[in-house]
Amino acid sequence: GNSVTQMEGPVTLSEEAFLTINCTYTATGYPSLFWYVQYPGEGLQLLLKATKADDKGSNKGFEATYRKETTSFHLEKGSVQVSDSAVYFCALTFGRGSTLGRLYFGRGTQLTVWP
Amino acid sequence: DAEITQSPRHKITETGRQVTLACHQTWNHNNMFWYRQDLGHGLRLIHYSYGVQDTNKGEVSDGYSVSRSNTEDLPLTLESAASSQTSVYFCASSESVSGEYNEQFFGPGTRLTVL
Repeated sequence: GNSVTQMEGPVTLSEEAFLTINCTYTATGYPSLFWYVQYPGEGLQLLLKATKADDKGSNKGFEATYRKETTSFHLEKGSVQVSDSAVYFCALTFGRGSTLGRLYFGRGTQLTVWP
Repeated sequence: DAEITQSPRHKITETGRQVTLACHQTWNHNNMFWYRQDLGHGLRLIHYSYGVQDTNKGEVSDGYSVSRSNTEDLPLTLESAASSQTSVYFCASSESVSGEYNEQFFGPGTRLTVL
């Protein structure tokens, strides 16, 4: 089946620290991979995506590289800010087939950044 | 601007009552999805639709139903609310282009409490 496993939280960091949130996946086929972010009291927003192996998604200083050999899509940021405090979700989807467009989510990782 | 809205934003109901949560999108998207978000589980798919008159069960569909009579709306009905259905519910929509990734846009969520 299709599933996403991501690093358990919560993660607490000081401002300007380096962030890594691990994400691995199991998929029957060739998925696209995403990171979504949920700020307090809001819905989910797409943070970045990668649609094929070796693609690097990036946005707002965050990066993640689609590693087919390790079935991973780890999220990184070199210097976090207080405004990055949120819940981060790793997810996958397929562009074709019976599961077209469905998102499979990890459990989410709560990030808190202190000044 | 196009958007996706949910109503109500907060709802308290009693066990056994029927509850309907509304989702309305103005993106003219064919695909619509309902998720529930629970601590430790991330987001789980309840029902989804690829177009008018089309509905499909997700991984946690028991006790829920949907109907799609037009492109814009996908209401979620809890036939007989149970305390286990206390959760935050998110609606999402996306384009329908096979073979390509289509970003899902999320509503702000409905917090439902079943007493």
